[in-house]
Amino acid sequence: DVKVTQSSRYLVKRTGEKVFLECVQDMDHENMFWYRQDPGLGLRLIYFSYDVKMKEKGDIPEGYSVSREKKERFSLILESASTNQTSMYLCASSLLGFVDNEQFFGPGTRLTVL
Amino acid sequence: DAKTTQPNSMESNEEEPVHLPCNHSTISGTDYIHWYRQLPSQGPEYVIHGLTSNVNNRMASLAIAEDRKSSTLILHRATLRDAAVYYCILRDGNTNAGKSTFGDGTTLTVKP
Repeated sequence: DVKVTQSSRYLVKRTGEKVFLECVQDMDHENMFWYRQDPGLGLRLIYFSYDVKMKEKGDIPEGYSVSREKKERFSLILESASTNQTSMYLCASSLLGFVDNEQFFGPGTRLTVL
Repeated sequence: DAKTTQPNSMESNEEEPVHLPCNHSTISGTDYIHWYRQLPSQGPEYVIHGLTSNVNNRMASLAIAEDRKSSTLILHRATLRDAAVYYCILRDGNTNAGKSTFGDGTTLTVKP
């Protein structure tokens, strides 16, 4: 069964902490994505990557960075967490040729920043 | 970026067909129409996608208007497990960019 896994389902951090969210896919997909989901705002793209060590900004990259050292792993980093980064974070992957292929999503990480 | 408009909520009875509409009047010729759904406490799940022709798969059918300014996701026999938020989104075939927005979608309630 194909899978996108995320390191935690729930995470609580304090303001100013550095936070790492990890995502792993086992489908050999080129593309990987990080979204955040907030009530009334839908899913918004933070960053995506189409190859190892490649990244592109999405719609809301401020306050975030990413790392893709291996094809199967895509990490989202909050350099200094703030309360407005409390959200549900969703990772996804897809084949290259993204527009004509489906995305596979992980279960999400609900992050609370106190 | 082209946007989509969906009703906030819809209701259906179990085992009846459901037609979920989506308007995308500013769609461009290279935009693919994708549908995803999100069950409670889960990540979104792919349902179906198309460009110009109607599409069928094991989950649903996608009917695309001739002018492509609207589309309809059809669940042929709704079950309680189909209760979810359904998202209609557009993806630009000109790029590999991930920049497509999921709006608030349509919350489908299925009544037994």
